[in-house]
Amino acid sequence: ETGVTQSPTHLIKTRGQQVTLRCSSQSGHNTVSWYQQALGQGPQFIFQYYREEENGRGNFPPRFSGLQFPNYSSELNVNALELDDSALYLCASSLGTENTGELFFGEGSRLTVL
Amino acid sequence: AQSVTQLDSQVPVFEEAPVELRCNYSSSVSVYLFWYVQYPNQGLQLLLKYLSGSTLVKGINGFEAEFNKSQTSFHLRKPSVHISDTAEYFCAVSRTSGYSTLTFGKGTMLLVSP
Repeated sequence: ETGVTQSPTHLIKTRGQQVTLRCSSQSGHNTVSWYQQALGQGPQFIFQYYREEENGRGNFPPRFSGLQFPNYSSELNVNALELDDSALYLCASSLGTENTGELFFGEGSRLTVL
Repeated sequence: AQSVTQLDSQVPVFEEAPVELRCNYSSSVSVYLFWYVQYPNQGLQLLLKYLSGSTLVKGINGFEAEFNKSQTSFHLRKPSVHISDTAEYFCAVSRTSGYSTLTFGKGTMLLVSP
């Protein structure tokens, strides 16, 4: 069974640039959620994709966008990067969208914005 | 909306001593409760969850938690900790209906020393 994998693991960008982060979900999982974890904080929900459609969104501006592909892998795109976007971005996969299910997290992509 | 408060940002403890990590939550709707652990440079891993039934929940690695509805608490306990338990612990809640999103606390760093 393959776990959740994320790429890249680390990256550095400058203000105003755009970034794409990638996530491969655990085998058999059709739902992907993205979280932002700032330094010293708990993860915050960005959005969720289920069967290639956005299924829910947290309090993040539209410059945070995403995609889910037919194989259930996913991308997180952030445009017009700001310094406060520096964080660990976590992807989590699950089977279905019910809240009783366990989320399986990847190790994250650490983004630094200079 | 839901919120989670973890009262201690850091808990130092000696090996083989008992430990309790505190978690309080606030919500206007019914919630499920979770504890996740994050080891250095790794993603989050589910320790245990409360969905319904017995208020005492047992998880992996010898951890347990008790749901107290009147005090809106879900404290995590372990009778005897090991060096390997050193990690960041996150309490989280999710609504019992709607899509599966977690609201996390800020985390408690458990530091186990010999």
